[in-house]
Amino acid sequence: SQQGEEDPQALSIQEGENATMNCSYKTSINNLQWYRQNSGRGLVHLILIRSNEREKHSGRLRVTLDTSKKSSSLLITASRAADTASYFCATRWQGAQKLVFGQGTRLTINP
Amino acid sequence: NAGVTQTPKFRVLKTGQSMTLLCAQDMNHEYMYWYRQDPGMGLRLIHYSVGEGTTAKGEVPDGYNVSRLKKQNFLLGLESAAPSQTSVYFCASSYHSSQGSDTQYFGPGTRLTVL
Repeated sequence: SQQGEEDPQALSIQEGENATMNCSYKTSINNLQWYRQNSGRGLVHLILIRSNEREKHSGRLRVTLDTSKKSSSLLITASRAADTASYFCATRWQGAQKLVFGQGTRLTINP
Repeated sequence: NAGVTQTPKFRVLKTGQSMTLLCAQDMNHEYMYWYRQDPGMGLRLIHYSVGEGTTAKGEVPDGYNVSRLKKQNFLLGLESAAPSQTSVYFCASSYHSSQGSDTQYFGPGTRLTVL
């Protein structure tokens, strides 16, 4: 079964607004990663947060991790039309050699 | 660097035909992966490899075989294609996870249709 579950499944906002996506998972993890997928393309890594970290920033991206709630959030600030894409969280279980991806959040930025 | 490349980009098969998808990476990564992506679903791991000459089953391995004869190449084979294997297939690679960075780098995908 899927380890990561994103919420919402789809999000539509106006350009310039902030977008927040959430990811929940079931078991203890080593790290959690967020990826972006533009239509018809492969996934691109955005950011990785380890289990002993609570928050990370990368440009307009802010990721938080709450291991007690087994959840993570991805915040994109000052959204742009180019941010329109699907966003996936992926978790690495402790001791595992692979990632498990969620079903993704489809983000649409309206001009 | 080309990163991760996949061949072919598109393919149409008839039920029962066989084919091989090729993935190549030029980043000297130890780990390589094959995923399939279906509408409304995330990526599901088919098979993966933690090094040259090794392979392991993922979440949905049935109907597929893989080989990793060279470190830079990872082949995915469909022995007898079925309509349920219509999907977009992605290859990815990463460094050894114990090095602390297991970011996966993805290829552009192969869109396969089985009639």
